[in-house]
Amino acid sequence: SQQGEEDPQALSIQEGENATMNCSYKTSINNLQWYRQNSGRGLVHLILIRSNEREKHSGRLRVTLDTSKKSSSLLITASRAADTASYFCAGLSGGSYIPTFGRGTSLIVHP
Amino acid sequence: DTAVSQTPKYLVTQMGNDKSIKCEQNLGHDTMYWYKQDSKKFLKIMFSYNNKELIINETVPNRFSPKSPDKAHLNLHINSLELGDSAVYFCASSQLAGGQETQYFGPGTRLLVL
Repeated sequence: SQQGEEDPQALSIQEGENATMNCSYKTSINNLQWYRQNSGRGLVHLILIRSNEREKHSGRLRVTLDTSKKSSSLLITASRAADTASYFCAGLSGGSYIPTFGRGTSLIVHP
Repeated sequence: DTAVSQTPKYLVTQMGNDKSIKCEQNLGHDTMYWYKQDSKKFLKIMFSYNNKELIINETVPNRFSPKSPDKAHLNLHINSLELGDSAVYFCASSQLAGGQETQYFGPGTRLLVL
């Protein structure tokens, strides 16, 4: 089952604006992770939020989790051109240690 | 020092050939993975392996086989390459013992089958 489906597929904003990306999943999860992928690179872990948490912060990143709606959002505040990348969510279900990734949101931040 | 490394970075080959991609992690992790990322950026798990078990995604053709000479290495061998195998292949590792679910990815190997 797909445990990470990002929306929108693409997002284009100006530097300084906030960027919000959403993720939906289908079955219950133990945690949900967000990763970033710069063009031509591997994925880099950004933040992990557990099923008993509702919100988590890390620098300019804010992640929320709504288990009743099976959805999560990633907010990047005061975006920079260097934030241009693809962002993936991945859910981890009970009994499995393999996160399932979606197709990602492609974010472009214009200077 | 690169935590998860893959070689080669680029691989161009003809249909029908057999090729291998190597992966090494120096993080001391107990579990390694192979993912395939297609042209639409969809990232699909192919294999996960630790010293206890190999988990295979049942959709992966048996032309693909992981080989682990030791805990720090998980190589991917592909037989009889097909055009549809063209993709970017990522190796990753994590430390499951202790409940660390974060995955560390290699830089990827771009495979083009002609």
